[in-house]
Amino acid sequence: AQSVTQLGSHVSVSEGALVLLRCNYSSSVPPYLFWYVQYPNQGLQLLLKYTTGATLVKGINGFEAEFKKSETSFHLTKPSAHMSDAAEYFCAVSEDNQAGTALIFGKGTTLSVSS
Amino acid sequence: DSGVTQTPKHLITATGQRVTLRCSPRSGDLSVYWYQQSLDQGLQFLIQYYNGEERAKGNILERFSAQQFPDLHSELNLSSLELGDSALYFCASSVRGMNTEAFFGQGTRLTVV
Repeated sequence: AQSVTQLGSHVSVSEGALVLLRCNYSSSVPPYLFWYVQYPNQGLQLLLKYTTGATLVKGINGFEAEFKKSETSFHLTKPSAHMSDAAEYFCAVSEDNQAGTALIFGKGTTLSVSS
Repeated sequence: DSGVTQTPKHLITATGQRVTLRCSPRSGDLSVYWYQQSLDQGLQFLIQYYNGEERAKGNILERFSAQQFPDLHSELNLSSLELGDSALYFCASSVRGMNTEAFFGQGTRLTVV
């Protein structure tokens, strides 16, 4: 069964610092991988996704993630944090199969950004 | 605005009651997904419908049921409510499966008292 582990439920960085949010997945077949962001009192918004092809994926708001099959990882990074990046981030995995597909989410990482 | 509409935004009800949550997907999206978000369980996949048919089932309780209507809107029915059912319920829609981008509604916050 597919699963996602997000290391660190809470990450704190200073404005301008590197953001690194860790995600490891477990999947029996090549997975589709996603990062979503949730701002307070809002729904989830897609940051980026990996399906096939280039392993370095660029998303919105300056975020990017690298798919590393050998490490079963899909870590999210941003070179320079901004105060507006403070939110909860979810890594997710899905498998496309005949029975339908669904995103399986990690438990989330709350990102705090201080000035 | 994701284009996915969920109503109501907030719902307060008593234990033992039944409620219905409604979701209108983005125009053209055939797949609808329901998720439950709580502090202790995180985001849990409940059920998926594709063009009116159930396609995948997650951790959905027997007291919960859902359906997708011909106009593609979906309803999640929660019955015999318990305090532990208090959570944020999200609907998401996508063109096909979740490997295509899924768009989430703003959720319905259910409080069972």
